[in-house]
Amino acid sequence: DAKTTQPTSMDCAEGRAANLPCNHSTISGNEYVYWYRQIHSQGPQYIIHGLKNNETNEMASLIITEDRKSSTLILPHATLRDTAVYYCIVRGGGYMDSNYQLIWGAGTKLIIKP
Amino acid sequence: KAGVTQTPRYLIKTRGQQVTLSCSPISGHRSVSWYQQTPGQGLQFLFEYFSETQRNKGNFPGRFSGRQFSNSRSEMNVSTLELGDSALYLCASSLDVSNYGYTFGSGTRLTVV
Repeated sequence: DAKTTQPTSMDCAEGRAANLPCNHSTISGNEYVYWYRQIHSQGPQYIIHGLKNNETNEMASLIITEDRKSSTLILPHATLRDTAVYYCIVRGGGYMDSNYQLIWGAGTKLIIKP
Repeated sequence: KAGVTQTPRYLIKTRGQQVTLSCSPISGHRSVSWYQQTPGQGLQFLFEYFSETQRNKGNFPGRFSGRQFSNSRSEMNVSTLELGDSALYLCASSLDVSNYGYTFGSGTRLTVV
């Protein structure tokens, strides 16, 4: 089973910041938080990942709480093309770890409205 | 650079047949993973290959198998197809098996009739 909990769906106005929460209260010390998204009929797209520090790239920012039990993905200026299902996944550090596989939950369906 | 290429895009097979799907990873990527996506079960991990060796395997029956070639290209095979095998099969590649983001292909849509 997935080790994360996400809201089923969210709306956001175009041009505003989209903040997608994720709970991972049972995360272990060596587990990373990954975010992917899947636009309808396409393969998932990697967005960002982090261990304990906040991360930012050209697509998004990842804010991880100090106790690492939850995180938030931030899309700073959402566009209509950001409408997708967003998956938050926790994953072990190396392929020898039993928790190494990406285990996907149902994700959050984010709808960007004009 | 070219992305992950999966062939064919669509496939229709009859129950009991077998099928082979192909995946060409991004140049330089040595890890290839396969996933099955269905409306009921979502995305489920099948297996991962690195340098021609299977590194990890999901909970699928032995009818599902795969392999990786020396050029990192990968194939997965499903024998004795069942109606429940109808799904989108996704391939993803990564530089290696450590913590790098995976790049996914567009998938092969398999329909078993």
